[in-house]
Amino acid sequence: QSALTQPASVSGSPGQSITISCTGTSSDIGAYNYVSWYQQHPGKVPKLLIYNVNNRPSGVSNRFSGSKSGNTASLIISGLQTEDEADYYCNSYTSSSTLVFGGGTKLTVL
Amino acid sequence: QEQLQEWGPGLVKPSQTLSLTCTVSDGSITTNKYYWTWIRQPAGKGLEWIGRIHISGSTNYNPSLKSRITMSVDSSKNQFSLKLNSVTAADTAIYYCARNGHATGVWLDPWGQGILVTVSS
Repeated sequence: QSALTQPASVSGSPGQSITISCTGTSSDIGAYNYVSWYQQHPGKVPKLLIYNVNNRPSGVSNRFSGSKSGNTASLIISGLQTEDEADYYCNSYTSSSTLVFGGGTKLTVL
Repeated sequence: QEQLQEWGPGLVKPSQTLSLTCTVSDGSITTNKYYWTWIRQPAGKGLEWIGRIHISGSTNYNPSLKSRITMSVDSSKNQFSLKLNSVTAADTAIYYCARNGHATGVWLDPWGQGILVTVSS
């Protein structure tokens, strides 16, 4: 299985909104509403931000939201804050009953 | 909220078998609602899904690793395990275990703290 495709890096200024894309295929993202997103600060454990495309776990800020169109999912972060600077990974369930991650996106808050 | 903790050798010789165990605390591994998953992350690189196991014994593995992986679950100890054989330096990584929700969606939460495994002679 091939990794999902994410941009290597994105950047934004405090207060702005940014979008991180995650492109898969009709066998993973396009087939199911089972996309999740994870935030990882340097040296830390990944944290679940979004599941089932657009659901937030309890305790996650509503500045984080998700969407999907066709084979591409997106993570939107609004009102950027300096603490949002981290790596972000998408993940999808696949038609082979496996999971696959994206390559990760480094978010820089300028 | 359940807590997960990985443990095992931090150093494995090339061509040998990497063996890790994940202990689940404050919850039961026998619930049908979850799979139990392994993920790894080489230094400075991204996350790679290794595979998952259900209490029923059902497993799903990453196709690129499938020939070298065995997963098992021990309900009496509330633990699940990973064996990866014929390791090389490319298997050096932080290995995480995580709970994989699947009944009401698919997600990975919580995660263990991770354990660094180095493959070197």
